[in-house]
Amino acid sequence: AQSVTQLGSHVSVSEGALVLLRCNYSSSVPPYLFWYVQYPNQGLQLLLKYTSAATLVKGINGFEAEFKKSETSFHLTKPSAHMSDAAEYFCAVSDPFGNEKLTFGTGTRLTIIP
Amino acid sequence: KAGVTQTPRYLIKTRGQQVTLSCSPISGHRSVSWYQQTPGQGLQFLFEYFSETQRNKGNFPGRFSGRQFSNSRSEMNVSTLELGDSALYLCASSLGPVGTGTDTQYFGPGTRLTVL
Repeated sequence: AQSVTQLGSHVSVSEGALVLLRCNYSSSVPPYLFWYVQYPNQGLQLLLKYTSAATLVKGINGFEAEFKKSETSFHLTKPSAHMSDAAEYFCAVSDPFGNEKLTFGTGTRLTIIP
Repeated sequence: KAGVTQTPRYLIKTRGQQVTLSCSPISGHRSVSWYQQTPGQGLQFLFEYFSETQRNKGNFPGRFSGRQFSNSRSEMNVSTLELGDSALYLCASSLGPVGTGTDTQYFGPGTRLTVL
C-alpha cells in the first residue's frame, strides 16, 4: 500500500526566507506525486505534479519540488517566502497503474512571519 | 472553463437526518472523487466514480454512498447522520481515473456540513 508522510505539521518561516516542506512517500511502484495548497475555507489547489518525467518539477507561485528516488522524497521548496504563501500544504501519491486511490499526507500548516 | 462546483456550500442538519451533496465536475472530466476533511482525521478518501461506475471506495460505513450520472455530475448521500459526520466534504474531478496520466484532480470549494 502506498503512503505519504509529511514531517512537521506546522512550519514557520520569515518573509523572504526559504520555504522547505518535507514529504516522504512509500510505494511499491514508481509513483505519481502531487503537492496541493489549501487556503482557509477553500478547496485544494494543485501546485505541481511529478509523473516520472523531469525530477525537478516547477509549479505555480514560485514553488518547485524535486523527486529523489534514493531518498523516497518529494520536498517542496520556494526560495523566498511571501505573506500570501500562508496556507496548508498537502503532499499526495497515486499509483500509476491505477490500483489505488490518491492518498494524502496529514498536511503542513505554513505560517509566514513578517 | 468553469471549475468544480459544489452545492450547497454550507449545510446544517441534526442527528439522524440524511443529506445529499452535489458536485459538478469541470466540463469534459469523467472522474469524480469525494473526500472528507476534518481537523482530527485530515483528508480521507470516500469514493471515486468514473463513467458512472464506482472505481474505488474508502473505509467509511455504508451510511455513506454516492453515484454518478451520465453527465458526470455526482452526488453523495449520508444517511442517519452522526455528530462525527461534521466535516468539509470535498469533491475533485479529473479527466481520467486516478492512477492514469490524466488523473490530475481539481477540487471544488467544498460543502461544510454541521451536524447538531
